[in-house]
This record gives sequence, C-alpha cells and structure tokens, in this order.
Amino acid sequence: SQQGEEDPQALSIQEGENATMNCSYKTSINNLQWYRQNSGRGLVHLILIRSNEREKHSGRLRVTLDTSKKSSSLLITASRAADTASYFCAPLIQGAQKLVFGQGTRLTINP
Amino acid sequence: DAGVIQSPRHEVTEMGQEVTLRCKPISGHNSLFWYRQTMMRGLELLIYFNNNVPIDDSGMPEDRFSAKMPNASFSTLKIQPSEPRDSAVYFCASSPLRRTGELFFGEGSRLTVL
Repeated sequence: SQQGEEDPQALSIQEGENATMNCSYKTSINNLQWYRQNSGRGLVHLILIRSNEREKHSGRLRVTLDTSKKSSSLLITASRAADTASYFCAPLIQGAQKLVFGQGTRLTINP
Repeated sequence: DAGVIQSPRHEVTEMGQEVTLRCKPISGHNSLFWYRQTMMRGLELLIYFNNNVPIDDSGMPEDRFSAKMPNASFSTLKIQPSEPRDSAVYFCASSPLRRTGELFFGEGSRLTVL
C-alpha cells in the first residue's frame, strides 16, 4: 500500500494543549507531507519533510520522521480553535509521483 | 495568485444524467490530479495527468467515468450515466512537475445524485 495510516482517528483536546498525530507507512519514500482539511474545504499543504531529514519546524508545527520505523509525527503546539480540522499524512513513495491519502486524524480543539 | 478553480461547487442531479466537473489548475503547473472523497472510502485518487497526458487512471471506478485534459489550463471529469453511489466530493489538485510532489487542491465539487 502506498498510503500513510494516521493514528489516532480522532483526537479531542483543550485549547492551549499540544496535539500529536502519528503516521505510519510501508515502503521507502522520497518525502512525507502533511495536509490539513477544514470542514467543507479542500486540502491544504502544511509541511514536507524529506527522507534524509529527521525533524522540521514551521511556526507551531513540528514534524519528525523516522525512516527506520517508517513513521512520522505531527505536533501542533499551543493549539487554537482554528486548528480544528482533519489532518492527513501522505508519503511520496520512491519512484512514484502520486500521493495516496489515508483516512486522516480528525482533530477537535475545545475552547 | 489564483489557486485551483473547480466548478460547479455543488451539483444535484438525478440518476442517469450526465455530470461534468471542471478544473482549472494553477498556471505553470504540469501535473493534475482528480480525487474523490466520501465518508466510507476516504480520499481516493481517480486519475492524474502530466503535461496533459493521462499517466495513471487505475483509480477510475468504471467506464462510466472519463477524464480529459485538452490543454494545460483545463480538465474535465465526466460521469455518464450517474448513479447515487457516485455522490461524493470531487477534488482537483495541481502540482509543478518536480520531485517533491506537493499538491495544491481546489475547493471541490460536491455531487449529489438522487
């Protein structure tokens, strides 16, 4: 399978707390990407981490990648109500061009 | 800059009717992807094009579905005849033809087949 599998399927936390979402995949990758989807909207690219990188930051987002375990995590620090959305990971498999998405993690931030 | 533009945003039709969804990719992007999203199956890749040429249509569910890209700035996804199980949100995404594979999505076309 070329898709990433997100875990947990749903996560509900209080505003201000940190949110961690995990992703596992099965084959060698060129990079791994995280996307956000707000209700009724299209997916928006958040961050990309290359296979030779272990950690990457973008604002309140922190992504880690462990290619030996074929896993990645997305950490959102100091969560806000506006972070409520579904989050998808998408590994770009070596030699492939297409991204295959899993079911995502549905994140709810409670005020 | 304009993003990926899809039309219509919403379509309600009756079973058996032809449906045509349209997509204008971001100017300069060489790759175009059609996805379908439902609660049951999540986000499925239907087909993608590079430089207007279909590369992989293995996700197209059946012959009732067809996609074309007559030029670099326009693509259509057609369903004929439509069935209730085709009800979904259809997304178009474009990407520059480079190795990172980052996708830019449109806002989707929500199709309801009665």
